[in-house]
Amino acid sequence: TQLLEQSPQFLSIQEGENLTVYCNSSSVFSSLQWYRQEPGEGPVLLVTVVTGGEVKKLKRLTFQFGDARKDSSLHITAAQPGDTGLYLCAGSNTGNQFYFGTGTSLTVIP
Amino acid sequence: DADVTQTPRNRITKTGKRIMLECSQTKGHDRMYWYRQDPGLGLRLIYYSFDVKDINKGEISDGYSVSRQAQAKFSLSLESAIPNQTALYFCATSDPRRGSFSTDTQYFGPGTRLTVL
Repeated sequence: TQLLEQSPQFLSIQEGENLTVYCNSSSVFSSLQWYRQEPGEGPVLLVTVVTGGEVKKLKRLTFQFGDARKDSSLHITAAQPGDTGLYLCAGSNTGNQFYFGTGTSLTVIP
Repeated sequence: DADVTQTPRNRITKTGKRIMLECSQTKGHDRMYWYRQDPGLGLRLIYYSFDVKDINKGEISDGYSVSRQAQAKFSLSLESAIPNQTALYFCATSDPRRGSFSTDTQYFGPGTRLTVL
């Protein structure tokens, strides 16, 4: 089992603040994905990164894949209540499986 | 209508009962997956199927079985449910035509909350 650890596990911030969520592993992945899950729903893909050092931006969200392809971060600028949810990272190696991280539960208080 | 549907959405059962969770998709995808989600553990893969004749065990297949009745349908069975199978179960699909597996987008259903007493 390739364990992906996310930190922090829980995060509660005020609207307008910035935050960073981390996804770390001792294993190398060929790609890393980030999903957001809202209560009562399944996860929805936000982004896929495949190259070490790659940075992708999605409006106020910035995703980075570590140079060694073992870790990733998600940075949210000026968080809004609509950003509230469970953020999951998922890594794929040469096999046919994605290994999901432990999740970060984000609450943005208006 | 949702592209990936799961039935039932909620189920409470007793230890030792046989339970079947069903998943249907209208996306036309060949690949389908079953995951379970537990607090603090993320999602873990139970079984996956890349076409009707292809079934593969995932990370935690013990105590579970699956059936791929058609491209659009993938069922998960618990032959004799036990309390530590209490979890949120998700079905997902992906489309291999969009590139390599490592860049697949998985589309998840809304989940089934299963409680085993």
